[in-house]
Amino acid sequence: GAGVSQSPSNKVTEKGKDVELRCDPISGHTALYWYRQSLGQGLEFLIYFQGNSAPDKSGLPSDRFSAERTGGSVSTLTIQRTQQEDSAVYLCASSLYRSLYNEQFFGPGTRLTVL
Amino acid sequence: KQEVTQIPAALSVPEGENLVLNCSFTDSAIYNLQWFRQDPGKGLTSLLLIQSSQREQTSGRLNASLDKSSGRSTLYIAASQPGDSATYLCAVITGNQFYFGTGTSLTVIP
Repeated sequence: GAGVSQSPSNKVTEKGKDVELRCDPISGHTALYWYRQSLGQGLEFLIYFQGNSAPDKSGLPSDRFSAERTGGSVSTLTIQRTQQEDSAVYLCASSLYRSLYNEQFFGPGTRLTVL
Repeated sequence: KQEVTQIPAALSVPEGENLVLNCSFTDSAIYNLQWFRQDPGKGLTSLLLIQSSQREQTSGRLNASLDKSSGRSTLYIAASQPGDSATYLCAVITGNQFYFGTGTSLTVIP
């Protein structure tokens, strides 16, 4: 299993609770990306990391969303005080490096449902 | 803000036909453009990436073109097969942001 993995695969939570989503990129990939896919709204880019740094956080939907990456590997996306509109599939991808050519490899996603 | 549109939203063709999927974007200052396919319940698979200085890229039966000045890209699929059935997404990279279209759902009928 050398692909991108995400956990949990499904998460059901109550409105107002915090959730943490995890992404394990392909070993050796320096760039990591988070996306959100909502029903009827298509795929939305959230943030990317080059190493442990995120150059631009403006894609995060609100200040309830935060992401971090440690050791140049695992990344977590945290959503605080979840709202029903946060329900979506959260996809993670990694690439060997972020440069002129960056083929991204996607994980299977985490389906988040906020009740 | 960059806006990406894909037409048609859905397409159904008989096996063996050649087809074209369209992607348009409003801001021509793109870094590159990428085509993906998404199978139901699965993540995305990268198909082709066109750098801003390029006009087209080819991979097997797929050919993607890019016209930055008109803000358009097309994905040409030759001799379609049932296994090509999926949702096709285009994405443009502007600055540090990716902008995706809403996709074209393709069904190839055997």
